[in-house]
Amino acid sequence: EAGVTQFPSHSVIEKGQTVTLRCDPISGHDNLYWYRRVMGKEIKFLLHFVKESKQDESGMPNNRFLAERTGGTYSTLKVQPAELEDSGVYFCASSQPRTGGFGGELFFGEGSRLTVL
Amino acid sequence: LAKTTQPISMDSYEGQEVNITCSHNNIATNDYITWYQQFPSQGPRFIIQGYKTKVTNEVASLFIPADRKSSTLSLPRVSLSDTAVYYCLVANQAGTALIFGKGTTLSVSS
Repeated sequence: EAGVTQFPSHSVIEKGQTVTLRCDPISGHDNLYWYRRVMGKEIKFLLHFVKESKQDESGMPNNRFLAERTGGTYSTLKVQPAELEDSGVYFCASSQPRTGGFGGELFFGEGSRLTVL
Repeated sequence: LAKTTQPISMDSYEGQEVNITCSHNNIATNDYITWYQQFPSQGPRFIIQGYKTKVTNEVASLFIPADRKSSTLSLPRVSLSDTAVYYCLVANQAGTALIFGKGTTLSVSS
């Protein structure tokens, strides 16, 4: 079974440009998460989808970031316009909660590295 | 969500048992303890999860004392390929956003 896939693996853009990152979760996983690691910092939560609905977007840094998950399958994260501080690695993860107890096991993708010059 | 504290780094030799302890003094009754492993240029990977006492799987063991204010990840007979960052996290239900700390960088040498 395919794991979580992310595209592109690396993107280099100039400040002010737009970038769209894509995440394909494991088939059948309702939960989809976006995280990011900015250079030298910890991995930070951005938002959480349950199917196509945004369950928690408390981690989104500002309105330059827009996440969508149309149809509850793949998700996109758009940064427009990109700023220098947006550089980092953006991780996507998916999970399917277990019945009873804590699910907890998130399956992460390899990440999309974004470099803003 | 409970904050966790773990060593910044650890060094070990191949074949040794490595124990990484994590403190979570403010863990809540409904919180579970989960450990992830991350290699460079990869996403974190789930290792093990527990609520209390001891949990063992094919790669690690997790020891949780009765007061649950700490937990210890035990890696038996580490190899060079176990060199990675290990994260201890607590969360109270499936779907809750996980909060990653700085993790413990484990370096295994021959």
